[in-house]
Amino acid sequence: NAGVTQTPKFRILKIGQSMTLQCTQDMNHNYMYWYRQDPGMGLKLIYYSVGAGITDKGEVPNGYNVSRSTTEDFPLRLELAAPSQTSVYFCASSNGNEQFFGPGTRLTVL
Amino acid sequence: GQQVMQIPQYQHVQEGEDFTTYCNSSTTLSNIQWYKQRPGGHPVFLIQLVKSGEVKKQKRLTFQFGEAKKNSSLHITATQTTYVGTYFCAGRAGKSTFGDGTTLTVKP
Repeated sequence: NAGVTQTPKFRILKIGQSMTLQCTQDMNHNYMYWYRQDPGMGLKLIYYSVGAGITDKGEVPNGYNVSRSTTEDFPLRLELAAPSQTSVYFCASSNGNEQFFGPGTRLTVL
Repeated sequence: GQQVMQIPQYQHVQEGEDFTTYCNSSTTLSNIQWYKQRPGGHPVFLIQLVKSGEVKKQKRLTFQFGEAKKNSSLHITATQTTYVGTYFCAGRAGKSTFGDGTTLTVKP
């Protein structure tokens, strides 16, 4: 099993550009999450999903969108990137207990 | 909403010294999880505590869940350099909320 995979690993965006961060899990988990982690800080929940077709906002959803068309995939969309969105983004999945994290995407907005 | 506070934010110890991080929730939790994140890495699950007053051990790590299920601690006995990283608690009351973590550095 690959677990949770994220692409890309690194990305630099210009202000106003948009992009999609990809996340895929092969553990058949119903729950999936997107977090952002600013330098030296903890994990802030952006969006989460309890199953295909169901998504909900977390603590910091503004500026982001998600979709969950399949159990495996949970892409995160950034529209009109801003410097405040410079962060490391982690995707995670869960069967309801422990969360399994992907390796992260390091995003810089200049 | 639910808040999870973790202290201290940073802890620097000499190798062989003990280390403790504390996690406090504003609400009663159904469970609490602990994760470790190595520098440049991603969080990795360590353990889950569910019962009031529960104590679990993993080698040099001891995890406790408070009687009121609103606080927890992680204690490392005789810290080694392999334990360097940031330790997060995640308290669950409906949804899980992560604390901001305690970053442990160890001087050999």
